[in-house]
Amino acid sequence: DAKTTQPNSMESNEEEPVHLPCNHSTISGTDYIHWYRQLPSQGPEYVIHGLTSNVNNRMASLAIAEDRKSSTLILHRATLRDAAVYYCILKETSGSRLTFGEGTQLTVNP
Amino acid sequence: GAGVSQSPSNKVTEKGKDVELRCDPISGHTALYWYRQSLGQGLEFLIYFQGNSAPDKSGLPSDRFSAERTGGSVSTLTIQRTQQEDSAVYLCASSGQLGLQETQYFGPGTRLLVL
Repeated sequence: DAKTTQPNSMESNEEEPVHLPCNHSTISGTDYIHWYRQLPSQGPEYVIHGLTSNVNNRMASLAIAEDRKSSTLILHRATLRDAAVYYCILKETSGSRLTFGEGTQLTVNP
Repeated sequence: GAGVSQSPSNKVTEKGKDVELRCDPISGHTALYWYRQSLGQGLEFLIYFQGNSAPDKSGLPSDRFSAERTGGSVSTLTIQRTQQEDSAVYLCASSGQLGLQETQYFGPGTRLLVL
């Protein structure tokens, strides 16, 4: 399975932008990059996904490097509710499962 | 609309007993997944259903674990002769669109504690 590498933890202040990095140097040409997050005591929830181009939705933006070996999830204005573990996952052609790594624990300070 | 629901939300059992965990996927979703999240192990895949069949059950940790899905809807995960290491949060997810852009929708999980 292609692997992703994320920082264990990050901190942000409320109402400031947050940039969560993910390295995936072994990504193949057809792998999609997915982001999920898990709030305390809840199941994971989908955030965003992309292939090559940058993507925006109501929750976040996804910036993908030109060589696709890294990506960054951008929360434009962090709120306290955004405190969660953020997982960067490669969706591969080999199967349907999601392979979760350790993720990044985001702390948002008031 | 209603999301993925799981029951019970919490389950405490004694070592050696059997437990059944239930998952109600989003209506119309053909794919259903079970994952497990335990301290120190992270989130791990258990089994995947497409309709009523399970093309990928490679994540089941032992033969004490089994799952079935009937009518293309509700799924039950059964753990026989529970052990303390089975204590974890068991998460169910469903999706209606397979492929590389598939989005999985997770339930709140069942917290299992084996004493």
